[in-house]
Amino acid sequence: ETGVTQSPTHLIKTRGQQVTLRCSSQSGHNTVSWYQQALGQGPQFIFQYYREEENGRGNFPPRFSGLQFPNYSSELNVNALELDDSALYLCASSRHGDSLNSPLHFGNGTRLTVT
Amino acid sequence: GESVGLHLPTLSVQEGDNSIINCAYSNSASDYFIWYKQESGKGPQFIIDIRSNMDKRQGQRVTVLLNKTVKHLSLQIAATQPGDSAVYFCAENRSGGSNYKLTFGKGTLLTVNP
Repeated sequence: ETGVTQSPTHLIKTRGQQVTLRCSSQSGHNTVSWYQQALGQGPQFIFQYYREEENGRGNFPPRFSGLQFPNYSSELNVNALELDDSALYLCASSRHGDSLNSPLHFGNGTRLTVT
Repeated sequence: GESVGLHLPTLSVQEGDNSIINCAYSNSASDYFIWYKQESGKGPQFIIDIRSNMDKRQGQRVTVLLNKTVKHLSLQIAATQPGDSAVYFCAENRSGGSNYKLTFGKGTLLTVNP
């Protein structure tokens, strides 16, 4: 069983730039969620994608956007980067409607540094 | 606001001892709870979960206890090993919605001394 994979592992960007992070879901999973984890904090829910549409969103501004592709992989896009966007971005996959039967499985994340 | 939190930010134990990590939650609508382990440079790794219709669940060397009366969750690790050193997060979810959104606590750093 292939786990959740994310790329790149590390990324350095300048304030104001745009970034795209990628995620491949675990085999058999059709839903992808993105979380932001600031240093020393727990992960915070950004949004979730199912059937190529956003299916729930946390308290993040519109400059955080995403895509899901027919193969269930996903992208997280962040525009107009700010210094506070520096964090570990985690992708997790699951089976839709299976919240009582399976926990989220996370990738190892992309460490984004904004300078 | 409603959130999940931890009583102790750090815990240091001797190898072989039992560890107990605690977590308080305030959302009475939460019905699914998960413990994750996160090692440096890695994503959260699933340890054990429990549904609100249970008060105890055991895994390999780990036990999760749920006390809905006081909204308290704990993770017990038996015979703690150096490889157990990591940050441990509790997370909660409310089922029945159209999406699966976990709310995490801040985490507890467990250090196992040889």
